[in-house]
Amino acid sequence: QKEVEQNSGPLSVPEGAIASLNCTYSDRGSQSFFWYRQYSGKSPELIMSIYSNGDKEDGRFTAQLNKASQYVSLLIRDSQPSDSATYLCAVKSSYDKVIFGPGTSLSVIP
Amino acid sequence: ETGVTQSPTHLIKTRGQQVTLRCSSQSGHNTVSWYQQALGQGPQFIFQYYREEENGRGNFPPRFSGLQFPNYSSELNVNALELDDSALYLCASSPGSGTGIYEQYFGPGTRLTVT
Repeated sequence: QKEVEQNSGPLSVPEGAIASLNCTYSDRGSQSFFWYRQYSGKSPELIMSIYSNGDKEDGRFTAQLNKASQYVSLLIRDSQPSDSATYLCAVKSSYDKVIFGPGTSLSVIP
Repeated sequence: ETGVTQSPTHLIKTRGQQVTLRCSSQSGHNTVSWYQQALGQGPQFIFQYYREEENGRGNFPPRFSGLQFPNYSSELNVNALELDDSALYLCASSPGSGTGIYEQYFGPGTRLTVT
């Protein structure tokens, strides 16, 4: 079992729709969770971090965490073509390493 | 801009050679992590340094080694380069261990090509 798993996509949504990105992790001791956005040819850019169960909102982005289900998600409301990128889920394991998932490619269609 | 810098930007090496990649962390960050990202994959954790000591390592062979300096800048050294080492090498810094803050900020990366 891989430590952090994501739907590989590609995920296509129309402009203005909600994009939903999902991530599961295997280490029950994980306490810190992150979403990064990576444009082609660029390095990852931190979008959000979440530490507690529940929802955390920042502008058009909402991160959701359910530690019992070992599940993290990212919702992007009012998706824009500029949101087209690969979204990486990252988890700080109980061994103090930050492990990344394989990423989900999102395409927002105008 | 994250304040994390890496050099060089691009590098071409021959199989069997050795390479050193450099990273300057963001001001105030004492933890540096290195990642290897192959095309189409997520970043793979190589190792992490905190206050000049390695305090975490991924599934990479010993020919991948590193250093962190008193100013928290860091080097990644790879010996006996193999074709599969061709990838984007990313450095990330964070306030890290001891602060409870683990958000990482990435540099622009070094694109290594091994021929």
